[in-house]
Amino acid sequence: AQSVTQLGSHVSVSEGALVLLRCNYSSSVPPYLFWYVQYPNQGLQLLLKYTSAATLVKGINGFEAEFKKSETSFHLTKPSAHMSDAAEYFCAGGFGNEKLTFGTGTRLTIIP
Amino acid sequence: ETGVTQTPRHLVMGMTNKKSLKCEQHLGHNAMYWYKQSAKKPLELMFVYNFKEQTENNSVPSRFSPECPNSSHLFLHLHTLQPEDSALYLCASGFRVGSGNTIYFGEGSWLTVV
Repeated sequence: AQSVTQLGSHVSVSEGALVLLRCNYSSSVPPYLFWYVQYPNQGLQLLLKYTSAATLVKGINGFEAEFKKSETSFHLTKPSAHMSDAAEYFCAGGFGNEKLTFGTGTRLTIIP
Repeated sequence: ETGVTQTPRHLVMGMTNKKSLKCEQHLGHNAMYWYKQSAKKPLELMFVYNFKEQTENNSVPSRFSPECPNSSHLFLHLHTLQPEDSALYLCASGFRVGSGNTIYFGEGSWLTVV
């Protein structure tokens, strides 16, 4: 069965430090993979999307993610955290059917 | 461009009330979705509409009744809800249904059932 797993429901990093949010998937077909961000009291906003055109995907706000088939991973990174990055981040996968499968989310806290 | 707009943003209703949530998209999309987001639970897909036709009902109780009069508008009619139905209800839209298609979310409607 297809699934998306986000490791770590809460991640804290210092301002200026590297952000690494982990996402692993399970799929019998080539996946489409997404990262969304949800700021407090808002809906989900697309950060970036993997469609097989390139394994390293650049998104908005300085985020990027790398698709690694051998590790079935699609981790999200940002070189230097900013206070405004504090939010909840969702990894999602499209696995050949109509719907996206979402992970359970990772809440990112930035320490001043 | 306002994207996907949901109204009301906040709704408090009693268990015997009937109310509706409204979603409108200005992106020219043909697929529309309702999701439920509860605390400490994964995002739950409720309904999918493709070109106004319902293509998925994810075992949602009948006290939730969706309506899609055209590709730009989606409603969620609510009646005799339970307190556990309190959640953030998110509407989303996409060009068409399919796993590779990006979906765009509205800001959500916070529902509290008392």
